[in-house]
Amino acid sequence: GNSVTQMEGPVTLSEEAFLTINCTYTATGYPSLFWYVQYPGEGLQLLLKATKADDKGSNKGFEATYRKETTSFHLEKGSVQVSDSAVYFCALSASGSSASKIIFGSGTRLSIRP
Amino acid sequence: GAVVSQHPSRVICKSGTSVKIECRSLDFQATTMFWYRQFPKQSLMLMATSNEGSKATYEQGVEKDKFLINHASLTLSTLTVTSAHPEDSSFYICSARPTGEVNYGYTFGSGTRLTVV
Repeated sequence: GNSVTQMEGPVTLSEEAFLTINCTYTATGYPSLFWYVQYPGEGLQLLLKATKADDKGSNKGFEATYRKETTSFHLEKGSVQVSDSAVYFCALSASGSSASKIIFGSGTRLSIRP
Repeated sequence: GAVVSQHPSRVICKSGTSVKIECRSLDFQATTMFWYRQFPKQSLMLMATSNEGSKATYEQGVEKDKFLINHASLTLSTLTVTSAHPEDSSFYICSARPTGEVNYGYTFGSGTRLTVV
């Protein structure tokens, strides 16, 4: 079945450090891939997405590239800020239907020190 | 666009009572909505897929008689936790995306924190 494996946290970095959160997936066909962010006590917000191989999703300085050859969708940011502290979820959905359910990774808690 | 409103954001109820949570798509229609449950510091667990005009599809291990789902219109799905017990205390989140938009990201509600005392 489809699954998502992401880097376990927590991850603690200093402000302006480089961030990588690894995410790999297992899926049949060509899934869409997502990164969601969850701030304390809130729901999830879509951070970025990619719907086909070699697509790069980007938003707010974050980037992730859909790598079919390595089945990966790693999240990166060149210079993190304290406000980036949150939980990040990698996710996938099977393509072809708006009714396809979304499968989440376990989440990675990120803390940024001033 | 693509806003999902979830209500209430917090609810405290007594053991044995029922609680209804609403999930509304404000600016789009959604034939399908999803209900998730999240325990502290854990990922989201899909509970069920809510289908407009038909029965919900429940994930394995989720009690359908415990968690009643109604999707009576293209913009509203409700989750009712029946005869709630302390172990039902959790964070419940709904999500949806516009019908037919296969490449659109899912939009999530802000979640409902349920505490059963």
